[in-house]
Amino acid sequence: DIQMTQSPSSLSASGGDRVTITCRASQSISRYLNWYQQKPGKAPELLIYAASSLQGGVPSRFSGSGSGTDFTLTISSLQPEDFATYYCQQTYTAPRTFGQGTKVEIK
Amino acid sequence: QVQLVESGGGVVQPGRSLRLSCAASGFSLSSFAMYWVRQAPGKGLQWVAVISFDGSNKYYTDSVKGRFTISRDSSKNTLYLQMNSLRADDTAIYYCARDRGGYDSAFDYWGQGTLVTVSS
Repeated sequence: DIQMTQSPSSLSASGGDRVTITCRASQSISRYLNWYQQKPGKAPELLIYAASSLQGGVPSRFSGSGSGTDFTLTISSLQPEDFATYYCQQTYTAPRTFGQGTKVEIK
Repeated sequence: QVQLVESGGGVVQPGRSLRLSCAASGFSLSSFAMYWVRQAPGKGLQWVAVISFDGSNKYYTDSVKGRFTISRDSSKNTLYLQMNSLRADDTAIYYCARDRGGYDSAFDYWGQGTLVTVSS
């Protein structure tokens, strides 16, 4: 299985901050990389697919970039509803594996 | 609209069995690969099992091989996870998720999750 490693595991930020989360794959996955947001008690929701494409209905303050093994998720201006845990996932090959998650907390 | 509804979770003793169901509506299970993903309390997401769109391929994470079986009933449009020889470390919320496949492959729909607690 392809291993996905996210950093940091958690971060504290304030509303309006720019936040960046990184994800590294154990081998090249081209641009087959997705990002999910999960809020407490809820199922994950798809934010970004194919490294940089925004899922319908997702605010434009979310963006993704990268290819090969290194990827980033950026939130340009953190909003109260963005405090959550974020997961990356590779879909280059089955099984679709996840990173360990990054929890974004209120500073 | 597309919907996934899990059921079958509960409290079970170690070594016993449980079967989870995931009823799909708004699409045909036979057209998509389907996953079971679990989340232990306070932990991250872990894929558990996958069945290919045509049912010909099934894969399992190492910790459940030989104990869990993924299947589907096309007539009921329902996905299943048969879990045998349950252990305490199987305690988790179990989600079913649809993999839409292709270049923009992603888990675009998830169920609400069903909690499995393995405890004596």
